[in-house]
Order: sequence, then C-alpha cells, then structure tokens
Amino acid sequence: GESVGLHLPTLSVQEGDNSIINCAYSNSASDYFIWYKQESGKGPQFIIDIRSNMDKRQGQRVTVLLNKTVKHLSLQIAATQPGDSAVYFCAEPTSPSGNTGKLIFGQGTTLQVKP
Amino acid sequence: GAVVSQHPSRVICKSGTSVKIECRSLDFQATTMFWYRQFPKKSLMLMATSNEGSKATYEQGVEKDKFLINHASLTLSTLTVTSAHPEDSSFYICSARNPGNYGYTFGSGTRLTVV
Repeated sequence: GESVGLHLPTLSVQEGDNSIINCAYSNSASDYFIWYKQESGKGPQFIIDIRSNMDKRQGQRVTVLLNKTVKHLSLQIAATQPGDSAVYFCAEPTSPSGNTGKLIFGQGTTLQVKP
Repeated sequence: GAVVSQHPSRVICKSGTSVKIECRSLDFQATTMFWYRQFPKKSLMLMATSNEGSKATYEQGVEKDKFLINHASLTLSTLTVTSAHPEDSSFYICSARNPGNYGYTFGSGTRLTVV
C-alpha cells in the first residue's frame, strides 16, 4: 500500500546553517507531493509542493527535490532561523493528480534550531 | 488565499458529554473537507472525509457513531465527539481542498481534553 515516511525523527541544526529533511514514498504512481510545517498547537501550514514532472522547485529559502528513481524527496531550508523550528511533514494525496485524494502524512521530522 | 477557520481552539468537557467542533471555509466553497486526529508527537491520522450534502466516508477503525460528521453547507463541516471519554482527548484538525488547485488548507486545530 501507499506509505510516506521520513528518515529521521529529529534534526538539530545551528542557526544560519542549511537544513535538509528527507522523505521516502512507496507508490511509484504518486505524482504530487506537499511539504507542511506544523508549529506546536497549530494546524499544518503549507510550505511548498512539487509535481512529478519536476525534479526541483524553489520557494523563498526552501527547495524541494524529487528523485523519482529512488522514490525520495527532500526539503531544503537555507539559512535556518529560530522561527523554522517546527515539525515538518511530507504528504501526498491518495489518488493520482491529487484531484480528490485524501492526504497521507509522513511521520514528521522535528527541526530544532540552535541559536 | 484560502482560509479555513476551526472552532473552538480548546475545549474541556466531562466524560459522557458531547462536543462539537466546527470547520469553516471562509473565502471559498469546499465540497470536501477532511478531519484528522493527532496524538502528541505523532503524525496526522485521517479520520473521515466530509462530503457536502452526503454521508461522510470514515477510515477503517473510526467509529462513525462516535464521531458524527455533518457537512450541511459548502462552507461548514462539523465533527461531534459523542459520549466523550478520556481516551478521546486529542488534537483534532480539519482541512479543505483549495479551489482551483490541488492544495489543501488546514484549520488551526482543536485541543480536546476529556476529564
């Protein structure tokens, strides 16, 4: 069945360094992925998404890389700031193209930014 | 942008009572909304898909008589936890599909504590 998982439960980085959060998926037919940030006591907040026809997508200080060969995606945060401290989830809709699909969430990676 | 409002943010209730949580799409119509449950330091677990004008679709293992979902309008879905017990204490989060794209917007969550 489908699954979305993360490699590390906690990532600790120094303020100003770059952060890389990884995610693996199992369904080779998956064609849309989303990264969310969740701060304590709040709902998930959209960060960036990527479709399978792309290998890379950049936002403001964030980059998502998709490697379809090994079914892996990563979220890179440049110049990590204390405000980036949160739990990060990768997610994918259950149906192709995300038209009507329910979102499946990975287990999450807690990013801790040290001052 | 698409905004989803969830209310209340926190609620404490006594065992045996029922609690209603509201999820509203403020600036768009949502024919489909989703309800999630999240335990501490865990990922989001989809409970059910709320469909406007029809019955909700529940995930395996979720008691439909325990978690009543009503989606009577295009902007409002409600989750009622009936005869609540301490084990129902959790963080409940709703989301709605964004119009015009494949994204999902989340509410801010409801912390339910049953005493």
